[in-house]
Amino acid sequence: GENVEQHPSTLSVQEGDSAVIKCTYSDSASNYFPWYKQELGKGPQLIIDIRSNVGEKKDQRIAVTLNKTAKHFSLHITETQPEDSAVYFCAAISSGSARQLTFGSGTQLTVLP
Amino acid sequence: DAGITQSPRYKITETGRQVTLMCHQTWSHSYMFWYRQDLGHGLRLIYYSAAADITDKGEVPDGYVVSRSKTENFPLTLESATRSQTSVYFCASSPRDSAGNTIYFGEGSWLTVV
Repeated sequence: GENVEQHPSTLSVQEGDSAVIKCTYSDSASNYFPWYKQELGKGPQLIIDIRSNVGEKKDQRIAVTLNKTAKHFSLHITETQPEDSAVYFCAAISSGSARQLTFGSGTQLTVLP
Repeated sequence: DAGITQSPRYKITETGRQVTLMCHQTWSHSYMFWYRQDLGHGLRLIYYSAAADITDKGEVPDGYVVSRSKTENFPLTLESATRSQTSVYFCASSPRDSAGNTIYFGEGSWLTVV
């Protein structure tokens, strides 16, 4: 099955700086890579996703890049704000019959004012 | 727009007891999922369902039972709770399978087994 590794586990940045979270996956057949944001006491929410036929996708201050050859993808948040503080999860679809998401272990992002 | 509701939100139970976590969605989504979230492990899939009366095991199904007699409900039962099942449980739904479709999560059920 799919294995997704996520780094770093914790990340602190100053407000206004950029934050980068990286994930690697094991199954070369995986073709869908979403990122979820989880605020304290709530369930995860999708913030951006990318498919394997695209190298980069942007949505305002958030971008995701995908390197299929190296089997890694990254989340980039620019001009960070205190409300960006949360746990972020990457995920990849498994290529087996189940076709379900495998999540990374999460990154606690803290934006310092 | 109620979305997904989970109950109870918080539960403390004793080892060996049966516990059922309820999940209800109002969107008529075909797919429903149960995940558990533990520090250092992220979200791990327990069971999922593609439609009423169709359920499949995920990554960590042992010790859990699910059913889906109606599209909108997907209860998760711990038949004999163990301390290792202390976790936060998230129910989720999706209009189709996970391949490219947003999964919508509930707010979680915090379960402590003592």
